Amino acid sequence: TQLLEQSPQFLSIQEGENLTVYCNSSSVFSSLQWYRQEPGEGPVLLVTVVTGGEVKKLKRLTFQFGDARKDSSLHITAAQPGDTGLYLCAGSFSGSNYQLIWGAGTKLIIKP
Amino acid sequence: GAGVSQSPSNKVTEKGKDVELRCDPISGHTALYWYRQSLGQGLEFLIYFQGNSAPDKSGLPSDRFSAERTGGSVSTLTIQRTQQEDSAVYLCASSFHGNEQFFGPGTRLTVL
Repeated sequence: TQLLEQSPQFLSIQEGENLTVYCNSSSVFSSLQWYRQEPGEGPVLLVTVVTGGEVKKLKRLTFQFGDARKDSSLHITAAQPGDTGLYLCAGSFSGSNYQLIWGAGTKLIIKP
Repeated sequence: GAGVSQSPSNKVTEKGKDVELRCDPISGHTALYWYRQSLGQGLEFLIYFQGNSAPDKSGLPSDRFSAERTGGSVSTLTIQRTQQEDSAVYLCASSFHGNEQFFGPGTRLTVL
């Protein structure tokens, strides 16, 4: 079974703190995407990583793809209330350019 | 429109009734996807349309579920004889190339 496990499932921290969320699998992915979803809306793509060891930065968000392309992390520096949301990772396999395997998400709450 | 739209935004129905959910993709996008998201869960793939090709229906959970896409644009997801376990948010996404998907806001279906 192809699974993506995200941890933690829920995280509530104070504004200004740093945090890391993880996306792990026993499978090798050709690419991995991170999305943020806010209540009442669909997920919005944040980043796609494709190369083992790749690091991408989006303002205060840093995304890393594991060397073996089985795992990924999202690190947020100095979290803001606007970062609140459900963070989802989704992986794709070579030969299937549209089917994504989705994690269950990390619900993040940043308290002012 | 500028983004993917879905209607209705909320649907409450009685067990055993049929429901139709509508998706208007981004103009020009050739691919359209339907997903189901249950509370606290990731996205479950339902069906994928690409241009004039036969749709990938491998994710439909039962023969009560069907979908069509007319004229390569608007899509309708139909659930017949709804059951309580069908209650979820149904998300539609569209894409042009690759697997960057743009999501609609979803339809929240509640089966009483």
